[in-house]
Amino acid sequence: ETGVTQSPTHLIKTRGQQVTLRCSSQSGHNTVSWYQQALGQGPQFIFQYYREEENGRGNFPPRFSGLQFPNYSSELNVNALELDDSALYLCASSSGQVLHGYTFGSGTRLTVV
Amino acid sequence: DQQVKQNSPSLSVQEGRISILNCDYTNSMFDYFLWYKKYPAEGPTFLISISSIKDKNEDGRFTVFLNKSAKHLSLHIVPSQPGDSAVYFCAASAQNTGNQFYFGTGTSLTVIP
Repeated sequence: ETGVTQSPTHLIKTRGQQVTLRCSSQSGHNTVSWYQQALGQGPQFIFQYYREEENGRGNFPPRFSGLQFPNYSSELNVNALELDDSALYLCASSSGQVLHGYTFGSGTRLTVV
Repeated sequence: DQQVKQNSPSLSVQEGRISILNCDYTNSMFDYFLWYKKYPAEGPTFLISISSIKDKNEDGRFTVFLNKSAKHLSLHIVPSQPGDSAVYFCAASAQNTGNQFYFGTGTSLTVIP
């Protein structure tokens, strides 16, 4: 059983650029969530995808968007990058059973300069 | 607005003793509570969960207690082992928004051999 894989692991972008982060969910999981974790903070919910549709969204602007593919993998896209977007981006997959928790990837460390 | 709070950034415990990690929340609508453990350079790993219909859930050395009237939960680790040294996050969600988990800022546990 493979876990959640995220790519790339590290990324440096310039303010104003666009970025795409990728995530392969754990086998058998049909739900993918994305979280942003700033330094010294807990993960903050960006959005969730279920069956290729957005299924909930946190307090993030529209320049944060996503996709889920038929194989349940997912992408997070961020347009017009700002310095404050520098953070660890975590992808998490689940079977939809809340009390079973998420399986998290190791994250993508994004630095915006 | 921090709906889930972990007021102790760090905790040190002697090996073999009990570790108690605390978490407070403000939203009385939260139904599900989870604990995650995070090692450096890895994503959070699901540890244990509890729903609001229970006040205790036990899994081996780990026990979570929920006090709904005080909006407080705690994670007990007995006996503590050096491998338990990690950052622990509590997370909560409401049934009507079951796809969004609110995380605390984490408590760094060090178990001293």
